[in-house]
Amino acid sequence: DSGVTQTPKHLITATGQRVTLRCSPRSGDLSVYWYQQSLDQGLQFLIQYYNGEERAKGNILERFSAQQFPDLHSELNLSSLELGDSALYFCASSVGAGGEYEQYFGPGTRLTVT
Amino acid sequence: AQKITQTQPGMFVQEKEAVTLDCTYDTSDQSYGLFWYKQPSSGEMIFLIYQGSYDEQNATEGRYSLNFQKARKSANLVISASQLGDSAMYFCAMRLQGGSEKLVFGKGMKLTVNP
Repeated sequence: DSGVTQTPKHLITATGQRVTLRCSPRSGDLSVYWYQQSLDQGLQFLIQYYNGEERAKGNILERFSAQQFPDLHSELNLSSLELGDSALYFCASSVGAGGEYEQYFGPGTRLTVT
Repeated sequence: AQKITQTQPGMFVQEKEAVTLDCTYDTSDQSYGLFWYKQPSSGEMIFLIYQGSYDEQNATEGRYSLNFQKARKSANLVISASQLGDSAMYFCAMRLQGGSEKLVFGKGMKLTVNP
């Protein structure tokens, strides 16, 4: 158990809908990262927050947005969902924001868009 | 741009034998970190080992060691005394230090440990 929690574990929804994925980092970790794992794209970095502020952005679609709250939990919002958004979404956390800190991953949320 | 290459799609190894999983990387930066993660069939990503680009010694964590050859830009994972529970997908990843902290992952490779 990495100490990172993600809810829900599974989510099935229809095209055009909006969903929110939630992540709670390990106690004491200030950085939260979101990744998407799909069969065709592999594991891709979406976005990073550090202590409430957006720190880095990757291949995140405009239909997706995220935020980190004062209690450091984070939410990833996916809207106007398409079939291609079906994937495993991971949240990871690390204690700091530098590249020397290992990232601990949550169990993931499996999103299925039908 | 950073790139991680894992060319072995799958490997089979007998229980209790050692196995090496290959990883090569490409970056023009001098300061970076290399990571290995394990993803069992249950789906979670488990951190295994980390090597910094300026670390002089190869990293080791229990049965895992990282064979870091900076000039060749390779960071192979060595698992000694394989166990059935080592059967999983293995991902090599890199992160630049001082810039964006995103992890760039390779495509992964599947290890199967046979009894």
